[in-house]
This record gives sequence, structure tokens and C-alpha cells, in this order.
Amino acid sequence: EAGVAQSPRYKIIEKRQSVAFWCNPISGHATLYWYQQILGQGPKLLIQFQNNGVVDDSQLPKDRFSAERLKGVDSTLKIQPAKLEDSAVYLCASSPLSFVGDTIYFGEGSWLTVV
Amino acid sequence: AQRVTQPEKLLSVFKGAPVELKCNYSYSGSPELFWYVQYSRQRLQLLLRHISRESIKGFTADLNKGETSFHLKKPFAQEEDSAMYYCALSGRELVFGKGTKLTVNP
Repeated sequence: EAGVAQSPRYKIIEKRQSVAFWCNPISGHATLYWYQQILGQGPKLLIQFQNNGVVDDSQLPKDRFSAERLKGVDSTLKIQPAKLEDSAVYLCASSPLSFVGDTIYFGEGSWLTVV
Repeated sequence: AQRVTQPEKLLSVFKGAPVELKCNYSYSGSPELFWYVQYSRQRLQLLLRHISRESIKGFTADLNKGETSFHLKKPFAQEEDSAMYYCALSGRELVFGKGTKLTVNP
């Protein structure tokens, strides 16, 4: 079974520039998550999609971050304009359903450095 | 509010020694708790969940609602257990602790 795919794996940008990350979840998984993991911390949920609808985006900084999941399959996370504090690993994850306790499968992450 | 606390940032043991990674949580509802592990250069993956009451790679974890804890234990650590371990609580969303880096020395 193919895992969650993410690209690019690494990105270095200057502050105030924009960046986009792409995620393709495991085939058939209804729920897709974007997490932000800052160095030394655990992953923090940014946004959760159920099919192509947003379930939770309460921790997404909407003034600069946006995400979409058109057609309920792959997803794009965009940051514009980037700040230094956005330097982190952006993890995409998916799960078959979205009930409490459902196993979540993570991608390898996209490492962002903002200079 | 959901909160997960892993008090140890780093934990170092010798091969064959017992290991316990601590996790405490705060949640007003009925919690679902997990341990996730990230080996070097690999993706974050589920190690075990409390509802399964299973042992994975020799690790076990018992939910103690009175102490609001979900400590991860293994009686005899192996070098291949060296990794980052994250405790996670699933309530309204999956909330992770900051993680404990376990190093098992030969």
C-alpha cells in the first residue's frame, strides 16, 4: 500500500515570499490533515478535511495560511507571505474515516526554512 | 482543553534495562490515547493505542484515569528502540505531546 506522499521535501525561502506544499493521501482515505511541527515540539493540527470539506481549521493562521482539497483527494497548503516563525516541518496525514481513535498515517513531511 | 505532557525531553538507558516514557494528559471527556514513534529518517507512525491493550515490539502502555497517565513501558530495551516517542490524545482532535527522545546505549 502506497503511503502518504508529500512534496517538496525541502524548501528554503526568504521571509515575505510564498510557498506551497502538496499532499496525496492514501487511496480511499476520506480524512486529510495538515500538521505543523516546529523543532522540539510535537505536531500541531493546522487543518482537517473530511472529503473536500473543512472539519477543523481553528489553529490555521488564516491571514497567511490557506489550504484546499479539491475533489476530495490531494491537497495543497500555501503560506503567503512567510514569516521566520513558519520554519517547521509540515506533515500531511490521512485516515480512512474521522472517528475518534481512527489510525492516522503520516507522510514524510515537507521541511520549510524561512530566512 | 486537551493537553498532553511528556516531562522528559531526553531519556537514555542501556541495552537490556527497563524503560518507561512518561505521559500525562488533561481532558474532560473520555480519552483515546496513543503512542506514536519516529525512528531516524522515517515517518511518524502509530506504535500502540490504549483501546487495543496490545503489546507492540515489547512495549505496553496502561491508561490510568486516576493519575491521568499513559506511560509507555518496556522491560528490556533494545538499541533499535532508539527514536522519538510522542504521546497523543484524541478528543476533538489529535493532540501531541512534545516528545521524548529515547537513546538506548550498547
